[in-house]
Amino acid sequence: DSGVTQTPKHLITATGQRVTLRCSPRSGDLSVYWYQQSLDQGLQFLIHYYNGEERAKGNILERFSAQQFPDLHSELNLSSLELGDSALYFCASSVVPGGLDTQYFGPGTRLTVL
Amino acid sequence: AQSVAQPEDQVNVAEGNPLTVKCTYSVSGNPYLFWYVQYPNRGLQFLLKYITGDNLVKGSYGFEAEFNKSQTSFHLKKPSALVSDSALYFCAVRADPPRVNYGGSQGNLIFGKGTKLSVKP
Repeated sequence: DSGVTQTPKHLITATGQRVTLRCSPRSGDLSVYWYQQSLDQGLQFLIHYYNGEERAKGNILERFSAQQFPDLHSELNLSSLELGDSALYFCASSVVPGGLDTQYFGPGTRLTVL
Repeated sequence: AQSVAQPEDQVNVAEGNPLTVKCTYSVSGNPYLFWYVQYPNRGLQFLLKYITGDNLVKGSYGFEAEFNKSQTSFHLKKPSALVSDSALYFCAVRADPPRVNYGGSQGNLIFGKGTKLSVKP
């Protein structure tokens, strides 16, 4: 157990809908990263927050957004969902963003868009 | 731009034999390299990382990795494979080198496409 929690574990929804994925980092970790894992794209970085502020964006669609709250948990919002958004979404946390510390991953949320 | 390549989609090994999962990297500056393992329906688990120092890095579950600067490789190894080692293995590199003040630093990881390790009894 990495200490990173993600909810829900599974999510099934329809095209055009909006969902919210939640991540709680390890105790003491200030940095949260979101990644998407799909069969065709592999593991791709989406977005990074540090202590409530957005730090970097990767291949994140405009339909997707995220935020990190004062208690350091993070939410990834996916809207106007398409079939191609079906994937496993991971969050990872680490103590600081630019250091050499390790990112620890949560168990993921499997999103299925029908 | 930083990148990693895992040239093998699948590696098959007999239990008790040594295993190697290959990874090559391309970076500007010093490389910061990682190995993660993903078991079915699970998240990624950290195995080991290379930052600096000894070229042989020891990690979790008996795994080790050898950093080779001249060959730009970071291969994952284990002297004696177990059936329970069967999983998907990912090599990763930091997006950019760490900075002192962390401002604007992209600490995200860039992953290879993964190598499926199958250990048969």
